Amino acid sequence: GAGVSQSPSNKVTEKGKDVELRCDPISGHTALYWYRQSLGQGLEFLIYFQGNSAPDKSGLPSDRFSAERTGGSVSTLTIQRTQQEDSAVYLCASSLYSGGLYNEQFFGPGTRLTVL
Amino acid sequence: ELKVEQNPLFLSMQEGKNYTIYCNYSTTSDRLYWYRQDPGKSLESLFVLLSNGAVKQEGRLMASLDTKARLSTLHITAAVHDLSATYFCAVDIYSGYALNFGKGTSLLVTP
Repeated sequence: GAGVSQSPSNKVTEKGKDVELRCDPISGHTALYWYRQSLGQGLEFLIYFQGNSAPDKSGLPSDRFSAERTGGSVSTLTIQRTQQEDSAVYLCASSLYSGGLYNEQFFGPGTRLTVL
Repeated sequence: ELKVEQNPLFLSMQEGKNYTIYCNYSTTSDRLYWYRQDPGKSLESLFVLLSNGAVKQEGRLMASLDTKARLSTLHITAAVHDLSATYFCAVDIYSGYALNFGKGTSLLVTP
């Protein structure tokens, strides 16, 4: 079946511009996560959506970062006024979490963001 | 703050040899996840360990979990080049929540 998809795969932008990154989770998965992977910081959690609940934004590094999830499916991560330190690979994951014992997350291919 | 520490961070080993990657974590959790990442690719789920003493094996890889010691191991048996990748362990504070990852172990298997 189709996995998690993300677009674009690569994005190069100039400092100060806004960018939008898209994630299509696996159909039927209720939980969606955004992570960031960079050389210096490893894999960092950014934001978490579970069903219709309010998202957990505790991992967002600044108020320039925001995300939404429409219709419980597609999610968009927006970074405003990009800075060079935002350069990283942004990974989206989804899981079929329904209050069960564990939560195996499936990752998309990522969006490599380069801020010049 | 939940900390997840892996060691070693870099590992170069010869084909045919055995080795173990260690993953220590700082909080009580019964769930431990192992992922593999090939260069330029995303993360692939390898193992989900759900209880103390859990052991799972797939091919030349075997993962185990000791929740009392807060330690998981990923054992590589008779390594082959195809196992060259970065391996991450991860823990969640509670089921359904975000994963906290270790820094990853970059494994290179040489002839």
